Amino acid sequence: AQTVTQSQPEMSVQEAETVTLSCTYDTSESDYYLFWYKQPPSRQMILVIRQEAYKQQNATENRFSVNFQKAAKSFSLKISDSQLGDAAMYFCAYAGGTSYGKLTFGQGTILTVHP
Amino acid sequence: GAGVSQSPRYKVTKRGQDVALRCDPISGHVSLYWYRQALGQGPEFLTYFNYEAQQDKSGLPNDRFSAERPEGSISTLTIQRTEQRDSAMYRCASSPGTAIYGYTFGSGTRLTVV
Repeated sequence: AQTVTQSQPEMSVQEAETVTLSCTYDTSESDYYLFWYKQPPSRQMILVIRQEAYKQQNATENRFSVNFQKAAKSFSLKISDSQLGDAAMYFCAYAGGTSYGKLTFGQGTILTVHP
Repeated sequence: GAGVSQSPRYKVTKRGQDVALRCDPISGHVSLYWYRQALGQGPEFLTYFNYEAQQDKSGLPNDRFSAERPEGSISTLTIQRTEQRDSAMYRCASSPGTAIYGYTFGSGTRLTVV
């Protein structure tokens, strides 16, 4: 079974600084997709960024980028120029192989942004 | 509709009662998913549908939980004989195809069993 691990329960960053959230996963599948979701205090779930495992190039969405290390099964999220609105719980998630209908989520990392 | 709509937003029920949670996905989205999220935890998969067919129900905790999507659009998650441990946020999501596109989540139904 696939597992997703976020080892940082909480992180904090100063406004305008950069922060990196860690995620590792375990899978025996060769084809899969990885995601980062943001859950603000409103408890909405918002897709931040998506990475296809067969693509070597790291995905980027404005201030958000990933460092995807397939061999190490690592998928970290970098937030540049952090803003107060980035404060949220961030979840890493995996979908792949025979279970494309299902996302497996990590435990989440609470990000605090200090002004 | 423009987004995934779930109703009710909040539901308080007495232990032993049945509850039905409704999800109206984005128009045209083929796939519909149900998740359960405990406070401070990541969402946990329950089941999903492609059109009206239930493709995977491996995450349903026990036979008190069931889901249907009879016309390939609106879905209902039913919990029979509710127990206090069923209290959680129940989230629905939809996508144009499989999960590889990422989901659009609804706002969820907060279920409290007293």
